Amino acid sequence: HKEVEQDPGPLSVPEGAIVSLNCTYSNSAFQYFMWYRQYSRKGPELLMYTYSSGNKEDGRFTAQVDKSSKYISLFIRDSQPSDSATYLCAMTHMDSNYQLIWGAGTKLIIKP
Amino acid sequence: NAGVTQTPKFRVLKTGQSMTLLCAQDMNHEYMYWYRQDPGMGLRLIHYSVGEGTTAKGEVPDGYNVSRLKKQNFLLGLESAAPSQTSVYFCASQNGGSTDTQYFGPGTRLTVL
Repeated sequence: HKEVEQDPGPLSVPEGAIVSLNCTYSNSAFQYFMWYRQYSRKGPELLMYTYSSGNKEDGRFTAQVDKSSKYISLFIRDSQPSDSATYLCAMTHMDSNYQLIWGAGTKLIIKP
Repeated sequence: NAGVTQTPKFRVLKTGQSMTLLCAQDMNHEYMYWYRQDPGMGLRLIHYSVGEGTTAKGEVPDGYNVSRLKKQNFLLGLESAAPSQTSVYFCASQNGGSTDTQYFGPGTRLTVL
């Protein structure tokens, strides 16, 4: 049983669509939630970071945390082919010495 | 400012051979991490370091050793490689140990035959 579950995809959508990527988790102690983007044959890079519940918006990207449901989401508006990548969720809490627990990653393909 | 660099980029080993992966960062970060990434498994922490001269075990430390003799370098060693260690290895560095951004290197693709 994994602490963090993430559908590996691939998820294929047409350019301009709204994309929803999701992770569920089992440990209610998680406090900090991140989304990393990983292009093919590259290292992950931080995309969004949120603390506790609520929404956070950055340009076309919105991160949402629902702690009551143990569910986090990343929404991408007006998706572009350059958004094609693997999106990994990660989370942590103080009792884990802030070590990140990672989802498996969802491969996203935006078709022109 | 190169960020995080990893050497080598690719390597093929035979079972039982040894090798060392080098990670270097020029951001003066205290924390450094070694992960492995396998299909469907996400990133799994092998070992990490919270400062020069310190190391600690992560989730999957067996078969690996590490050293952090200099703040900017973090070495990952495989003493006797096994096919199960075929993976992509990522190094990351972080300024603090809490929720600061982890900066990743480009990865090392290792195949053990």
